Amino acid sequence: DSGVTQTPKHLITATGQRVTLRCSPRSGDLSVYWYQQSLDQGLQFLIQYYNGEERAKGNILERFSAQQFPDLHSELNLSSLELGDSALYFCASTQGGGWDEQYFGPGTRLTVT
Amino acid sequence: GQQLNQSPQSMFIQEGEDVSMNCTSSSIFNTWLWYKQDPGEGPVLLIALYKAGELTSNGRLTAQFGITRKDSFLNISASIPSDVGIYFCAGPRGSQGNLIFGKGTKLSVKP
Repeated sequence: DSGVTQTPKHLITATGQRVTLRCSPRSGDLSVYWYQQSLDQGLQFLIQYYNGEERAKGNILERFSAQQFPDLHSELNLSSLELGDSALYFCASTQGGGWDEQYFGPGTRLTVT
Repeated sequence: GQQLNQSPQSMFIQEGEDVSMNCTSSSIFNTWLWYKQDPGEGPVLLIALYKAGELTSNGRLTAQFGITRKDSFLNISASIPSDVGIYFCAGPRGSQGNLIFGKGTKLSVKP
């Protein structure tokens, strides 16, 4: 158990809808990273938050957004969903804002129908 | 941009055999990481390498940080059925904390 929790485990929704994925980092970790894993693209970094502030952005679509709350949990919001958004979404956490060994949560499997 | 190329893509081996896989990049990395992912789970960190030439072991797993800093190798000795999964190499993108991942090596072990 990495100590990182993610909910829900599975999510099935229709095209055009909006969903929210939740991540709680390990105790004491201030940074949360979001990654998307799809069959064709592999694991791709989306966005990082450190202590409530956006720190780095990767291949995140404009339809996606994230935030980190004062209690350090983070939410990833996906809107106007398309079939191609079906993927596994992982969050990882580290103590600091820069490079450190990342511990991944169990992921949320999103299926868009 | 930075990319990590893993090979082989997949391996089918007999229980008890040793396994080797590698990861190469056209760019230099200052840190190499090896993760394992079981079906339906998140990647789990196996080994972290911080210095060129470094050889680090974790049980039956041994990983090496290539001298050129553009490659890394992972060896698994005496494989067992629970070694089944996908093995990823990864490295930090520049000075940022986010990771770049290889496409993975899928390992299947026949009992």
